[in-house]
Amino acid sequence: DAKTTQPNSMESNEEEPVHLPCNHSTISGTDYIHWYRQLPSQGPEYVIHGLTSNVNNRMASLAIAEDRKSSTLILHRATLRDAAVYYCILRDINTGTASKLTFGTGTRLQVTL
Amino acid sequence: SAVISQKPSRDICQRGTSLTIQCQVDSQVTMMFWYRQQPGQSLTLIATANQGSEATYESGFVIDKFPISRPNLTFSTLTVSNMSPEDSSIYLCSVEGTGVVNEQFFGPGTRLTVL
Repeated sequence: DAKTTQPNSMESNEEEPVHLPCNHSTISGTDYIHWYRQLPSQGPEYVIHGLTSNVNNRMASLAIAEDRKSSTLILHRATLRDAAVYYCILRDINTGTASKLTFGTGTRLQVTL
Repeated sequence: SAVISQKPSRDICQRGTSLTIQCQVDSQVTMMFWYRQQPGQSLTLIATANQGSEATYESGFVIDKFPISRPNLTFSTLTVSNMSPEDSSIYLCSVEGTGVVNEQFFGPGTRLTVL
């Protein structure tokens, strides 16, 4: 599986935008970029995913570099409820293991008042 | 979406004993997954459970230690056998959605402490 690299932790002030980076220099052409987050004492939840183009949904935006070797999850206005561990995960849809999620260490986001 | 419940939510067990964790989904799903999250660590996939077939285990996990049942399309169990303190972890089940995104939905987890 192609690996991802994320900073261990980041801090943000409430109501400010947060940019969470992810490097995936060995990404293949059929790898989708998925983001999940794990709130304290909960199971992970899906945030967003993309292949080549930038994506927006109600939770966040995903900016994907032109060469696809990196991506950035953008929380437009962080709130205290966004404090979580954010995982960047690559999923190859063309293999039998497409359903498996391989979690890296993720980025622990702290949000302060 | 899928709503997943797990029982028990937490337990404290003695070494050498076994614990069976239940996972119930509110809809029929083909694939269910069991993960382990050791203290302060990320999630690691233990096995994939398809209804009607034997579970597929990841490297480092064996059926004798983590037997899995999948009797129908909404239910699965994971047993942690002959427990030791190293088995103290959060155990989570998940299912894959059937929409375009195919995102996974996770249960709340079972927090296991082995003394």
